[in-house]
Amino acid sequence: KAGVTQTPRYLIKTRGQQVTLSCSPISGHRSVSWYQQTPGQGLQFLFEYFSETQRNKGNFPGRFSGRQFSNSRSEMNVSTLELGDSALYLCASSLSTGGALYTQYFGPGTRLTVL
Amino acid sequence: DAKTTQPPSMDCAEGRAANLPCNHSTISGNEYVYWYRQIHSQGPQYIIHGLKNNETNEMASLIITEDRKSSTLILPHATLRDTAVYYCIVDSNSGYALNFGKGTSLLVTP
Repeated sequence: KAGVTQTPRYLIKTRGQQVTLSCSPISGHRSVSWYQQTPGQGLQFLFEYFSETQRNKGNFPGRFSGRQFSNSRSEMNVSTLELGDSALYLCASSLSTGGALYTQYFGPGTRLTVL
Repeated sequence: DAKTTQPPSMDCAEGRAANLPCNHSTISGNEYVYWYRQIHSQGPQYIIHGLKNNETNEMASLIITEDRKSSTLILPHATLRDTAVYYCIVDSNSGYALNFGKGTSLLVTP
């Protein structure tokens, strides 16, 4: 079974631009979560989608948004990029059907650099 | 803030068992203990989880104390490829918003 895929793997943008990252979950997984990882703050939860609905959101500004499509693929968007948005953005999918089946499987991440 | 406390770093000789401790003294009755690891510049990898009983899979063993206030992840025969940051996470059935904390950086040496 194919793992979680994320595109693009690397991205360079300039301040003020906006960016869209994509995540394809493992087949059959309906939940997709997004995380930001920086050296200073570590891994931080951004938001989670299940059946095209955002179920939970972390403590990030409104510039960070996401959506999920009917095939469970998900995108996240960051508008008006700031230097501090430079990070590894990770996507994780899970079956999300209760109990320990919430185990998350992570993709390789998208490395975003903002200049 | 993370609900777990882990040592920031540990060393282990290749071929020996690596025992990674985790303190989670405020764990609730419905919270699982999860272990993930992250090899440099890769996405985190699920290792094992448990609720009350000890668990073993092909990667590792998880020992949870009877009062559930602490646990130990055991890599029985560590290899150089086990060098990674190991995260101990406690989480209820919500599961999808994991709080990773700072983890333990394990260095396996030849």
